[in-house]
Amino acid sequence: QVQLQESGPGLVKPSETLSLTCAVSGGSVSSDFYSWSWIRQPPEKGLEWIGYIYSSGSTTQNPSLKSRLNLSIDTSKNQFSLKLSSVTAADTAVYFCARLASSWNYLDSWGQGTLVTVSS
Amino acid sequence: DIQMTQSPSSVSASVGDRVSITCRASRDISSWLAWYQQRPGKAPKLLMYSASSLQSGVPSRFSGSGSGTEFTLTISSLQPEDFATYYCQQSNSFPITFGQGTRLEIK
Repeated sequence: QVQLQESGPGLVKPSETLSLTCAVSGGSVSSDFYSWSWIRQPPEKGLEWIGYIYSSGSTTQNPSLKSRLNLSIDTSKNQFSLKLSSVTAADTAVYFCARLASSWNYLDSWGQGTLVTVSS
Repeated sequence: DIQMTQSPSSVSASVGDRVSITCRASRDISSWLAWYQQRPGKAPKLLMYSASSLQSGVPSRFSGSGSGTEFTLTISSLQPEDFATYYCQQSNSFPITFGQGTRLEIK
């Protein structure tokens, strides 16, 4: 069974870059049947899809974040990463990584999530 | 972007009750709809995909229906572990969008 685990700093200063990595075990990021997504959830609020990346490096990103967002994938380490630049307090959220099934674009496996707080 | 609107925003029910949650899309999404359950402090868990397909391992008391713009998640007989927040998600077009959530509380 595939498992995903987010890692990265829990505190980021305003205007700096938020960087997170998702390590995948029990499955391969090189699979043709899946892509690899990021979703976030501000405290006490709903879910916002950030974007996804295929093993080829091809990405689809939420237009609301696209100008600040960089998604990457490292097939040799079986992990993928997110960088969000020029962060503000509005970017404070629990960030989840998840596997997106290419058949019906549903998120069938999730990491536990990591809280990132933007504050000076 | 496609807007997803869930109703009700919250509902109180008792163990053994039958509960339905509705999700409406701002335009036709065919059957490109999934449902998730999120318990406090946990990641969402996939329940249904393609509107009515039950994810492996999910109890059969959960069912989904609908197509186009209106969808329903039904729990036939509530169990204590079902009290959580439920989200719908459309994947007909990007960006993927979620409903605002429905909180299911114990009466």
